[in-house]
Order: sequence, then C-alpha cells, then structure tokens
Amino acid sequence: GAVVSQHPSWVICKSGTSVKIECRSLDFQATTMFWYRQFPKQSLMLMATSNEGSKATYEQGVEKDKFLINHASLTLSTLTVTSAHPEDSSFYICSARDGGIAKNIQYFGAGTRLSVL
Amino acid sequence: GENVEQHPSTLSVQEGDSAVIKCTYSDSASNYFPWYKQELGKRPQLIIDIRSNVGEKKDQRIAVTLNKTAKHFSLHITETQPEDSAVYFCAASVNQGGKLIFGQGTELSVKP
Repeated sequence: GAVVSQHPSWVICKSGTSVKIECRSLDFQATTMFWYRQFPKQSLMLMATSNEGSKATYEQGVEKDKFLINHASLTLSTLTVTSAHPEDSSFYICSARDGGIAKNIQYFGAGTRLSVL
Repeated sequence: GENVEQHPSTLSVQEGDSAVIKCTYSDSASNYFPWYKQELGKRPQLIIDIRSNVGEKKDQRIAVTLNKTAKHFSLHITETQPEDSAVYFCAASVNQGGKLIFGQGTELSVKP
C-alpha cells in the first residue's frame, strides 16, 4: 500500500521555540494532505487541510498563525508549531490522499509526539 | 458541520466471539465511510470502507453495513482474535477525497 513518512517521530523542545514536522508521501503524489491532533485515548481532531500550491484551510478554533502549514510540493507538507507552549504538547498525525489508483484513500503517517517543556 | 458519534467507547469480547461497533453521522451529504484500526502508539490503518451507493461490504472477517436513511453505519468483526485488540475509529466524509470527521473511537479488547 501507499506509504506516508512523518518526521520526527518524537521531539522535545523548550517553551517558546518552534518545531517543524514533515509529512511525505513516498510512492504517490498527494495534492491534498491533512493534519490531525490526537490527545491520549482520544480521537483524531482535524486541524487543517493542506493543498499543494495554495493556502491551507484551517478548522474552526485552530490558530493559523500558531500552526503554520506549507505544502510546497506534491509529496511534502510541513506543519510548524510556532512559539510552542506546554499546552501544545500532543500527538500530531498527518495523512495524505492518494488521488490515483487508490481512489482518494487517505494514508496516515506514524505521527509525531511533541513534548514542550 | 459534520458530527460523528461512535459507540461503545470500550468493548471486551472473548476470542472467537463477534464484535460490533456503531456510528451515526449528522450530514446527509456524507457519502464515504472508512474504518481505521489504530494500535497503541501506531498510525491508523484503513481496514475497510464503504460508499453511500452500497449497503454492505465484506472482507474476510470484517464487514461494514450502512443505513443511509438512519445515517448509521456499523463495523462487524467475526471470529475475533487477540490481534484484533486495538482502537477502532469510524469516519465520514462528504467526498471520498475530502476531509474525514472521526468518531470518538472504540477500544476493543479480545481476551484469549
């Protein structure tokens, strides 16, 4: 099946610093990627939809200046958590939509666990 | 916007028994309903999906049913095995390639 790579898998940072998370589709082109946040034992909460070559669409309540999304190519989307604070600590997961033979199925990355001290 | 409710939140069954997880959605325009399995600390994996033009779909021990009138869909796992233990999420989307709205998840435990 399609492979989505997400890096880093785990990051610890100091409060006030910025952290960048990468999401790559390895064997397909993804015009659309999605970013989710997941708290322990909870569901995946959609943060934003990332479209290649255009601005991301953020869900209600998600600060676009806080969570910067860039989708500069058909295989890479990045999420930057700016001026991170302890409340930003969470599990962030991306997914990429395969618009080819897989008929728009979303494949997920392995997630990034962010701990802000 | 779309809202997806999932029940139960936890489910414990004996190995070999069947497990059923139910979801309801609010947006009648939703037409794509995938189910994902997430093991602890791992990525969600698509296990089965169904489109609104189909009432039932089966893949070996897993089946999904859809009732568009009631806006309700269910996951059925037969002959459960310990390796089926995981958190299962249902989701709904207006378009197959569109954003997914997830249910709250069901933690399934299969006891040997």
